[in-house]
Amino acid sequence: EAGVVQSPRYKIIEKKQPVAFWCNPISGHNTLYWYLQNLGQGPELLIRYENEEAVDDSQLPKDRFSAERLKGVDSTLKIQPAELGDSAVYLCASSSLREGGRHTQYFGPGTRLTVL
Amino acid sequence: AQSVTQLDSQVPVFEEAPVELRCNYSSSVSVYLFWYVQYPNQGLQLLLKYLSGSTLVKGINGFEAEFNKSQTSFHLRKPSVHISDTAEYFCAVSGYTGNQFYFGTGTSLTVIP
Repeated sequence: EAGVVQSPRYKIIEKKQPVAFWCNPISGHNTLYWYLQNLGQGPELLIRYENEEAVDDSQLPKDRFSAERLKGVDSTLKIQPAELGDSAVYLCASSSLREGGRHTQYFGPGTRLTVL
Repeated sequence: AQSVTQLDSQVPVFEEAPVELRCNYSSSVSVYLFWYVQYPNQGLQLLLKYLSGSTLVKGINGFEAEFNKSQTSFHLRKPSVHISDTAEYFCAVSGYTGNQFYFGTGTSLTVIP
């Protein structure tokens, strides 16, 4: 079974440019998470989806970050405009209430963003 | 709210020696506890989790952890490490709803040949 897929794996952009990250969760997983991982830190939740509904976006900086999961499957996280401090790894994870419950999250490899 | 403290940022250990990675949590409610491993340039992989039942939890790759409610700890142990165990290890806590995960800052385990 394929795991969580993320693309691109690496992205380098100039500050003030827009950037988008894509995530395809494990088939059948209704819960999708986007995390931010700064260097030397643990992941921090940005947003959580239950199917297509964003049920927890309290940590998402809404002035420049946006996310969508239109059909309850794939998700896109966007930053516009990017700032130097956005350089980090963006992780996507998914879970299923049937398969281990929400407590077992499966992570993708992440997208490493560098803002110059 | 919950929080996690990983007391050691870096742990060097010789190959085939035992290792313990420490994790303490704080919470006003009952929690679930997890250990994840992250290899370079990869996502996090679940090692083990404590949801209920026996306080000694066995995971993959020969790791185990013990939940100690009185000391609010969930330390990770392995009796004999291999070179391939070199990685970053994260302790995490969630409430019973599983809606929010809080990760520690990680412990970098380096196994020395």
